[in-house]
Amino acid sequence: DQQVKQNSPSLSVQEGRISILNCDYTNSMFDYFLWYKKYPAEGPTFLISISSIKDKNEDGRFTVFLNKSAKHLSLHIVPSQPGDSAVYFCAASAFGPSGTYKYIFGTGTRLKVLA
Amino acid sequence: DTGVSQDPRHKITKRGQNVTFRCDPISEHNRLYWYRQTLGQGPEFLTYFQNEAQLEKSRLLSDRFSAERPKGSFSTLEIQRTEQGDSAMYLCASTLNMNTEAFFGQGTRLTVV
Repeated sequence: DQQVKQNSPSLSVQEGRISILNCDYTNSMFDYFLWYKKYPAEGPTFLISISSIKDKNEDGRFTVFLNKSAKHLSLHIVPSQPGDSAVYFCAASAFGPSGTYKYIFGTGTRLKVLA
Repeated sequence: DTGVSQDPRHKITKRGQNVTFRCDPISEHNRLYWYRQTLGQGPEFLTYFQNEAQLEKSRLLSDRFSAERPKGSFSTLEIQRTEQGDSAMYLCASTLNMNTEAFFGQGTRLTVV
């Protein structure tokens, strides 16, 4: 049961344009959402997050939008730069049935920014 | 503090051997997670510690896997009688509170031959 879904395995964008990465979730108990960036052979690096009580959070070139009614969030990168090329993971967190607070990850979207 | 540290970065082992990985979380973080990532997948939850207590263990972990966090600081993940299907990146993460980001280490890449 994939609770966090990233339906686009890959995305290519021209340098300077907007990159939009999408994520859908099924569990309405998720209360915190995060985006991570990952380079090959390294651990995920935290990028930006949003609480379920907000619908937008911005940090420099990165903006995350949350649509709770649609159970959908997106990451916008403007302007895109070649150094943004990486795999991006969407994650969501909540208490599980056992009382553990944990993070559930999507399968990732590989972003390639073309110079 | 330099963040979450994992050792070793890479491990190649023969099938049937035991391996142990170490994770040093950010010092004030009392919550520690182990995840596993295989090619084309996102990190999958394995187990969680709050201080020294292991509060949850995923169904993904067979009895060959064991994790400890003896003094609520560093943690170890041991895999006994490794199998080729255990080949993956093993990631450790730590966080101080819920509703905050988890910080990941560089991971340990395990290859079972």
